[in-house]
Amino acid sequence: QKEVEQDPGPLSVPEGAIVSLNCTYSNSAFQYFMWYRQYSRKGPELLMYTYSSGNKEDGRFTAQVDKSSKYISLFIRDSQPSDSATYLCAMSANDYKLSFGAGTTVTVRA
Amino acid sequence: GAVVSQHPSRVICKSGTSVKIECRSLDFQATTMFWYRQFPKQSLMLMATSNEGSKATYEQGVEKDKFLINHASLTLSTLTVASAHPEDSSFYICSARDPGDGTTDTQYFGPGTRLTVL
Repeated sequence: QKEVEQDPGPLSVPEGAIVSLNCTYSNSAFQYFMWYRQYSRKGPELLMYTYSSGNKEDGRFTAQVDKSSKYISLFIRDSQPSDSATYLCAMSANDYKLSFGAGTTVTVRA
Repeated sequence: GAVVSQHPSRVICKSGTSVKIECRSLDFQATTMFWYRQFPKQSLMLMATSNEGSKATYEQGVEKDKFLINHASLTLSTLTVASAHPEDSSFYICSARDPGDGTTDTQYFGPGTRLTVL
């Protein structure tokens, strides 16, 4: 079993829809949770960073963390074609080494 | 957000050549940098952790004599692929840890280097 599980998709939604992404994890030592966006042949770009259970909102993005269920989510409201990318969840314990999910490929159709 | 650069962005070389990749944090000091490898349509796999002024720590299965890492300053880490072979062809990405104010410790990634060994 992988430490971090993420459905690779692909996920296709119409423009304006809400994109819902999630990851589950097995390592209870994970304390820091991140979501990255990666365009093809580019490095990952940090979208959201959280370190506690609950919700965090930043513009059209909302990150949720439920440590009791070992489950994290990312929601993208009012999705745009420019949001089409691969979204990676990542998490770390106190050693700051990131464990990544497989990444979910998202396509937002105009 | 913080900026991390990588150079070169793309390398094509012959088998047996050694290739050096640079990773720089441009607007913050990074005591720790990480090197990842990514195969097509797969996620990032951590290769090694690089700490300024000390030897790198390699993940299990990564050959330290093959992938030489030097972290000479708080803003520069280099990865040298020694005597590269076609199986080393991959996308190599570095990240730099920005401790921030202590509550936003996170990593910022470089744009990646695509290595093709013929």
